[in-house]
Order: sequence, then structure tokens, then C-alpha cells
Amino acid sequence: SALTQPASVSGSPGQSITISCTGTSSDIGYYNYVSWYQQRPGKAPTLMIYDVTNRPSRVSNRFSGSKSGNTASLTISGLQAEDEADYYCSSYTGSSTSVFGGGTKLTVL
Amino acid sequence: EVQLLESGGGLVQPGGSLRLSCVASGFTFSTYAMSWVRQAPGKGLEWVSAISGTGEAIYSYADSVRGRFTISRDNSKNTLHLQMSGLRVEDTAIYFCAKAAGTFYFGSGTSWGQGTLVTVSS
Repeated sequence: SALTQPASVSGSPGQSITISCTGTSSDIGYYNYVSWYQQRPGKAPTLMIYDVTNRPSRVSNRFSGSKSGNTASLTISGLQAEDEADYYCSSYTGSSTSVFGGGTKLTVL
Repeated sequence: EVQLLESGGGLVQPGGSLRLSCVASGFTFSTYAMSWVRQAPGKGLEWVSAISGTGEAIYSYADSVRGRFTISRDNSKNTLHLQMSGLRVEDTAIYFCAKAAGTFYFGSGTSWGQGTLVTVSS
């Protein structure tokens, strides 16, 4: 089953927001292979966080990831207008398979 | 610079077949696992299939496509394929190929193509 994300979150410039991603003990709770993607309208997804907490070098350190039990989280600090996008989490589920969350629309007020 | 370019999408009738391709450049294609992810119009991302890199290939499929789709790769041509048969209306989506972080697939897509649109309709 798909991972569970809130449909939408919002925040004002400069604030911090957190997007949750809830799975099960068979995916997020078992593996440290959680990724987060940003997708702007009409564009391909881009990797923001991998292996729960790791950030590709090109990604701003305002983005951070964490996990507790069956729930992973993406935190964006110092919110900027350019952060407005859809965000998806994904988790490895074993046997070379993975699952995505339903996506969260971030609105910067 | 990693580049992935998908092609092969189009309009097909239910029950029909289509073969997608993804040409890779900017990295040693054969050593990386690759995957296909799709996105129905206005919907979220759905993982479809993955194949491992160098060595004996490991294939994996989502339940929704298992038995109908076949993933393969031609390392001599730096190309990933997705053979789709028995297509259904619900297979309508943009199909993205993505490069994994290493030889084996553990769920992450470090680079993505721009996608190719598959429309299944009568």
C-alpha cells in the first residue's frame, strides 16, 4: 500500500514546515532507505533526501530528513517561495521493490 | 552530467502493446540499477519496475503490472526498455526512467528523465 502523506501543508516565508510520511514495519520501519522528492508542475521529480537523512550536494541544507518508527519526516527550514512544489516520499520495501507516498502539496503563503 | 531521455510513448488501444526506451549518458550505465516510475494525469508517483546493474540481472515489478510489463536493458547501447503489453486504461500515465544510487535497487532515484506519455484509450 502507498505510504501516507498529508495532502497539503503551508507556511510563510522564513518559517519551518514538516511533512510526514507514514508506512509500516515492513517498509519505513524496517529499512533505512527512505527518499524524498520535489516535483514542480510539469517537471520530473528531483531527489532531495536519500537513505532517510542524506542530502545530495546540490540540495540546500534547509532540507533535512528523519525517521521515527514507521514514520519519516521531511523538514524545510527558512521556507522560500521557490520551495513551493509537490513533495513525495518513498521507501524500499524489500526484494528490489519500493513504494511512494501520495504526495504533499506545499504552499508558501 | 547525467542525462536520461525517454521515448516510445503514444496512444494505444486497450489490450495493445508499447515499448518504451530510455537512453542514458553521463555515467557508466551498466553499473547502475535503473527503474521506471509512472504518474497518471493529476495523480501521484507510482513505482513500476526496476532492474539491477552489472552481473546477473535482478528484476522487480509492481503488482499492478507484473505479468504484463517486462523491464530490460541493453548495456551496449546504454538503453533501458519497458515492454508493455495487455495495456489498460489505468496504465495511462507519464512514464519516467530513473537512475538508482548503485548497482542494486534500494528505492532511490538520483536522476530522472523528463518522461514519455502513454495514453491507453479506444
